[in-house]
This record gives sequence, C-alpha cells and structure tokens, in this order.
Amino acid sequence: DSGVTQTPKHLITATGQRVTLRCSPRSGDLSVYWYQQSLDQGLQFLIHYYNGEERAKGNILERFSAQQFPDLHSELNLSSLELGDSALYFCASSPGQGQGANTEAFFGQGTRLTVV
Amino acid sequence: AQTVTQSQPEMSVQEAETVTLSCTYDTSESNYYLFWYKQPPSRQMILVIRQEAYKQQNATENRFSVNFQKAAKSFSLKISDSQLGDTAMYFCAFMKRLGADKLIFGTGTRLQVFP
Repeated sequence: DSGVTQTPKHLITATGQRVTLRCSPRSGDLSVYWYQQSLDQGLQFLIHYYNGEERAKGNILERFSAQQFPDLHSELNLSSLELGDSALYFCASSPGQGQGANTEAFFGQGTRLTVV
Repeated sequence: AQTVTQSQPEMSVQEAETVTLSCTYDTSESNYYLFWYKQPPSRQMILVIRQEAYKQQNATENRFSVNFQKAAKSFSLKISDSQLGDTAMYFCAFMKRLGADKLIFGTGTRLQVFP
C-alpha cells in the first residue's frame, strides 16, 4: 500500500458527461501529480500541484482541470468526455519538490475511466 | 525536451534466471534522476529502483540492479534470480533534478517469468 488513495477505482460514463476523480496523498506529502495511462499514448504527465498551487502542466486538455485543496487532497475534473478519454488515471504524491528524497513519487492504484 | 525509449516491448525469462531490460534516454540536462517502475496486473505503479545521475555507482536493490552509462544515455535494469512475482510491465522514467516537476516515462516492457 503506497498510502495514496484514489477514488473511485472504476468509473463508467457516457460521452459528453463530466466526472471528478479524487486523490488523497500520503500523509505529509505536499506534491500531487496526475498522470494518464492509455493504450495509444502510454503514461503521460497531466499536471502537478504543490501545496495548493499549480506548478507544472503537461499534455492536459482544456476540457480537463484540477485543483489541490487546503487539506492537500486533489481532484481532477474531466468534462465533455469523449471515447478517447477512456484511460487509467493515476495520482502520485511526493514530500515536496526539488532535489533529493523529494523526487520519490508514490502512486495510487488509479481510476479506470471508461467512456461509452 | 526529454525522451525515454524502451525498445523491447516484450521479454520472457525462466524462473531463477537473469534478465536485462533496456532503456535509453535523451536530455540536455546534466543533473537528473532515472527510475524503473513496475506495474503488475494489479496496475499499481511500484518504484523498483532509482539512480541519481551525478552518482557514478550503479544503484542496487536486492535482486534488482542497474547499469547506468551516462555518456551513452543508457539505463538498463537487471533482474537476478527471476521470480514469478516479477511478471509485470516495467517502465523506465526520467525526472530532471531541478524543479522535479514530472516523470517522463518510456513505453514499457512487458516481462513474463515462466516456471
């Protein structure tokens, strides 16, 4: 158990809908990262939050947004869903950002999103 | 931009044997970290081993060791005494030291350990 909790584990929804994925980082971790794993794109970095602030953005669509709350949990919002958004969405957390031990990222078990 | 390449989509090894998974990367950074992650059928991403680029000594974690060749930008993973539980997808990943804002993953190598 990595200590990172993602809910829900599975989600099936229709095209055009909106969903929210939730991530609770390990106790004390300030950084939260979101990744998308799909068959055609592999593992892609979406976005990084550190202590409530957005720090880096990757290949995140405009239909997707995220935030990190004061209690450090994070939510990834996906809207106007398309079939191609079907993927495994991972959250990872680490103690901070920068050098040394802060680089070790602990992953949650992921949310499997299926858009039908 | 950084890229990570894993040229072996699938590999297989017999239990108790040794197998080496290949990874090459491209970067203009001088300070960075390299990782191997394991993703078993449970889909959990598990850190196997980490290498800091400024350290010349190859990292080792029990049966797992790496061969880090900085000049060649190569970072292979050796699994000794393979076990059935090693069956999984293995991803090589890169993170720059400054900022440490994201992991860049390779496409993965599916390893099958058979009895």
